[in-house]
Amino acid sequence: AQSVTQLDSQVPVFEEAPVELRCNYSSSVSVYLFWYVQYPNQGLQLLLKYLSGSTLVKGINGFEAEFNKSQTSFHLRKPSVHISDTAEYFCAVRSAFGNEKLTFGTGTRLTIIP
Amino acid sequence: AAGVIQSPRHLIKEKRETATLKCYPIPRHDTVYWYQQGPGQDPQFLISFYEKMQSDKGSIPDRFSAQQFSDYHSELNMSSLELGDSALYFCASSKPGQGFAGNTIYFGEGSWLTVV
Repeated sequence: AQSVTQLDSQVPVFEEAPVELRCNYSSSVSVYLFWYVQYPNQGLQLLLKYLSGSTLVKGINGFEAEFNKSQTSFHLRKPSVHISDTAEYFCAVRSAFGNEKLTFGTGTRLTIIP
Repeated sequence: AAGVIQSPRHLIKEKRETATLKCYPIPRHDTVYWYQQGPGQDPQFLISFYEKMQSDKGSIPDRFSAQQFSDYHSELNMSSLELGDSALYFCASSKPGQGFAGNTIYFGEGSWLTVV
């Protein structure tokens, strides 16, 4: 089984400042990692995913994440945030074997301060 | 591009009533997942289907049942509704195809169920 820990439940950041949302995972098998974003009263949208290869992955809206196997982390970063980035961000993990479900972390609410 | 379609988007039911949620996956996607997201919580996996067969089961109450039909759409049936069933229910789909688990799981906009 896999599990995900998002260390920060809420992150307030000033507009145009950089941000890092932390995610750590636990698994006994190889995994794929994902970040989803949920805007208020909306569904889940994929930001980016790590499957294999380069540990730095780039996603939509200027976000990127780095997979660190030794630290079992997959932190999400953006160099300069905008008001429109205000949302809930979920880190998720999925076994690399078989047709497996996603397991989500508890989410981080990113609030952008004007 | 076509997305995962869920209906209804909003549903209000009374306690002990029954509700049915429908999910239409992205065309050519053969796997459907159901998740429940309570207020302020992360999505919790309920159940999944692959090629019309149940493939995995999570924290789905016995009062709930689901199935995937020949056209790959899925329905989640919830009976004897309780106040605690009030949540956002997501359907998601994917196409493992060659068994590549890294294929993205795409989510619908969700169905809001309110039990009063």
